[in-house]
Amino acid sequence: AQSVSQHNHHVILSEAASLELGCNYSYGGTVNLFWYVQYPGQHLQLLLKYFSGDPLVKGIKGFEAEFIKSKFSFNLRKPSVQWSDTAEYFCALSGAGSYQLTFGKGTKLSVIP
Amino acid sequence: DTAVSQTPKYLVTQMGNDKSIKCEQNLGHDTMYWYKQDSKKFLKIMFSYNNKELIINETVPNRFSPKSPDKAHLNLHINSLELGDSAVYFCASSQMGQGRTEAFFGQGTRLTVV
Repeated sequence: AQSVSQHNHHVILSEAASLELGCNYSYGGTVNLFWYVQYPGQHLQLLLKYFSGDPLVKGIKGFEAEFIKSKFSFNLRKPSVQWSDTAEYFCALSGAGSYQLTFGKGTKLSVIP
Repeated sequence: DTAVSQTPKYLVTQMGNDKSIKCEQNLGHDTMYWYKQDSKKFLKIMFSYNNKELIINETVPNRFSPKSPDKAHLNLHINSLELGDSAVYFCASSQMGQGRTEAFFGQGTRLTVV
């Protein structure tokens, strides 16, 4: 079985603050990891992905995430958030050979101008 | 061209009715999914099809029946709609055959049962 947990339900930041959203996963084998973003009223868009190689992956809009295998974590970071980053953020996992993409419960990010 | 397209975008219907949501992808992917997003934004997989074959069928009432006429289409038919079926339904696709498991999502169908 595979599962994803996101620690923060709602994060409120001021513009220019730094962001880190936690994500931990459970799976017994090789994993593919993702962060998706859902802007209000819109569909999910891929921010970044990790399949293998460099554990620090860079995505769109200045986001990055670090895969730490020993901690089963894949935290999302951004050095300076903008009001336009206000959205719901989902961490997701697909185990190698699995046809299932499992999502965490999401973290709502509100950025105050 | 929209990569994953769903129709309709909004669907308002009465309890007890039967409705269908259509999904098409033009990415050449081999795997398609239906997800349900509830009012708390939780995304739960409902079905997964790979090359027209049902791979994942989560604990979904049998009033929900997916149909995949070909690799590019995965439709969702819902019988005897209930109030609790109100949610946003997302179709997605990915290319599992090459291990590229990132999914591309459609715009969603907001279903409201009254």
